[in-house]
Amino acid sequence: SQKIEQNSEALNIQEGKTATLTCNYTNYSPAYLQWYRQDPGRGPVFLLLIRENEKEKRKERLKVTFDTTLKQSLFHITASQPADSATYLCALEIGGYQKVTFGTGTKLQVIP
Amino acid sequence: NAGVTQTPKFQVLKTGQSMTLQCAQDMNHEYMSWYRQDPGMGLRLIHYSVGAGITDQGEVPNGYNVSRSTTEDFPLRLLSAAPSQTSVYFCASSYARGRGEKLFFGSGTQLSVL
Repeated sequence: SQKIEQNSEALNIQEGKTATLTCNYTNYSPAYLQWYRQDPGRGPVFLLLIRENEKEKRKERLKVTFDTTLKQSLFHITASQPADSATYLCALEIGGYQKVTFGTGTKLQVIP
Repeated sequence: NAGVTQTPKFQVLKTGQSMTLQCAQDMNHEYMSWYRQDPGMGLRLIHYSVGAGITDQGEVPNGYNVSRSTTEDFPLRLLSAAPSQTSVYFCASSYARGRGEKLFFGSGTQLSVL
């Protein structure tokens, strides 16, 4: 089965810096990789999708990269703000399958 | 827009009791799924459905039943609750699966089994 590791359980950074979160996977190469944000007591909310044939995707202050050789995705938040503090989850979907597998998440704390 | 609605928000059960967690979506999504979230283990897929009348097992299906009689509803049944089923349960839906469609999540049900 697919195994997904997110680099650390928690990450603290200073406001204004760039936060970089890592998602590593084993076994099958996913066709689609998604990132979600989860706030305490709430369900995850979709942020970005990147496909296996795409190297990079951007949305406002967010950037996602996808390296199928390294089996890794990086998620960047530039000019981070305290409001960005949350848990971020990566999720993988293998093409043609109907299951989405999630990583354990990284809790990001942006310190003012 | 309601999106994905889960009820109840909180529930306490005794070992051996049964209950149903409700999930409804108003987006006409074909795909619906149930996850449980435990500390350090992330979201794990319990059951999923690709349309009315079709269900399949996920990663951790034991102790849970599902059915999908309508497009809108996807209830999760605990037949005989066990302390190991203490968790936060999330229902999620999407238009379809297989092409990276984003999942829409409900706000969760926090279940404690004593």
